[in-house]
Amino acid sequence: DTGVSQDPRHKITKRGQNVTFRCDPISEHNRLYWYRQTLGQGPEFLTYFQNEAQLEKSRLLSDRFSAERPKGSFSTLEIQRTEQGDSAMYLCASSLLGGPNEKLFFGSGTQLSVL
Amino acid sequence: DQQVKQNSPSLSVQEGRISILNCDYTNSMFDYFLWYKKYPAEGPTFLISISSIKDKNEDGRFTVFLNKSAKHLSLHIVPSQPGDSAVYFCAASKNNAGNMLTFGGGTRLMVKP
Repeated sequence: DTGVSQDPRHKITKRGQNVTFRCDPISEHNRLYWYRQTLGQGPEFLTYFQNEAQLEKSRLLSDRFSAERPKGSFSTLEIQRTEQGDSAMYLCASSLLGGPNEKLFFGSGTQLSVL
Repeated sequence: DQQVKQNSPSLSVQEGRISILNCDYTNSMFDYFLWYKKYPAEGPTFLISISSIKDKNEDGRFTVFLNKSAKHLSLHIVPSQPGDSAVYFCAASKNNAGNMLTFGGGTRLMVKP
C-alpha cells in the first residue's frame, strides 16, 4: 500500500504529558500537511512542509506544538504539556507540488484523547 | 470566522434519487473548490473539484456546480447509492490548487436502500 500512513492510530494520554505522532507520506510527494479535526467539525489546517522546509503555520499552532520533517520524507508532530482541548483527530496529508490538479491525499489520522 | 459553511449537518435520501449537498463561502479570494468524502475511521478522500473559471464539473455520478456571484457551490449525486453514505466536506483554497484547504463542517449523507 502506498498511501499516507500515520502512527499511532489512537493515543490516550494524561494532561501535561508530551505526545508525538508520525506521518509517512506517499513516497514521491514533496508536500506534507498536518490538519486537526474535532468532533462535528471539518479539518483545520495546522502547518505544511515543502520537502524539509516548514512553509506555513496556522495561528492555531500554539508554541506547545512543533512539527518537523527532517529529511523531507516522514514528519513528526509533537504536542508538549497536553491539555484536554488538544483532544482531536490529527490528520496528515501529502501532495505532489505541480502535479496535475494538485490535491491532498489524507492518512487515516491519529485520534488523541487527553484525560 | 467560518469561511466555508455547510449548513445542513445531515441529509437522508432514497437509493436511486438525487442527493444535493450545499456549501457557502465568504472569502472572495477562494478560487478552487473541492469535495471530499469521509468514511468512519478513515481519512477524507478526494471526490471532485472545480476551478473558479468554470461553473460546472462532472465526473460520472458526481457533478459540482459553482455560483461565484452567490458564493455557493453544490454537489449533486445521481443516482444515489447506499455506498455513498458518508460525511461530505466542502473545501476551498486561494491558490488555484487543491492544497492549503479551508474545510466546511461537513454534511452526513445517508442513502437508504
